[in-house]
Amino acid sequence: DAGITQSPRHKVTETGTPVTLRCHQTENHRYMYWYRQDPGHGLRLIHYSYGVKDTDKGEVSDGYSVSRSKTEDFLLTLESATSSQTSVYFCAISELGTDTQYFGPGTRLTVL
Amino acid sequence: AQSVTQLGSHVSVSEGALVLLRCNYSSSVPPYLFWYVQYPNQGLQLLLKYTTGATLVKGINGFEAEFKKSETSFHLTKPSAHMSDAAEYFCAVTPGRGGATNKLIFGTGTLLAVQP
Repeated sequence: DAGITQSPRHKVTETGTPVTLRCHQTENHRYMYWYRQDPGHGLRLIHYSYGVKDTDKGEVSDGYSVSRSKTEDFLLTLESATSSQTSVYFCAISELGTDTQYFGPGTRLTVL
Repeated sequence: AQSVTQLGSHVSVSEGALVLLRCNYSSSVPPYLFWYVQYPNQGLQLLLKYTTGATLVKGINGFEAEFKKSETSFHLTKPSAHMSDAAEYFCAVTPGRGGATNKLIFGTGTLLAVQP
């Protein structure tokens, strides 16, 4: 399995609070991604990174920001969490010139 | 724009029966196609992928899929279902060579149940 960890694995928070999710990889892959998974929607891309300090928006980026200060870490921040952001969040990685993404174990976030 | 349609959000088969999970795609450029499997409370694991070359692709756990350009399909099959195949399966597409190959578009998933 690709060396990808996500933290925390579970989190319950209240509406309006900031939340940061962390993705850490030990594979030194260039690309990193954040997806959210919701019933009936599959997985949807939130943001992705193609290098340190290089990020871009995905399909559902509103309400989310990301940062990547090191190759191995990709942070997803919800500045002010809303109930619509209750979801399971997955991090993925891939290497430059390859087409396969490898997924982390996921973080289940509940916003009350 | 690309999209993926998975017909049937829930599929139930008997153990030993044929598994057929349907996936149709829309793409303006030659696509790369993927099937991922997700076991309960786990991340996604790559089952198989089609990029170029042979249109019949074999993956892990006895699964295979055939890329049919004329039908814009990439259906997943397994001749004989096992109880351990119970999981959710996702089809995904990305533009092929020359496109934004790192952006995956997922279908909504098919939950496979295997009855004893």
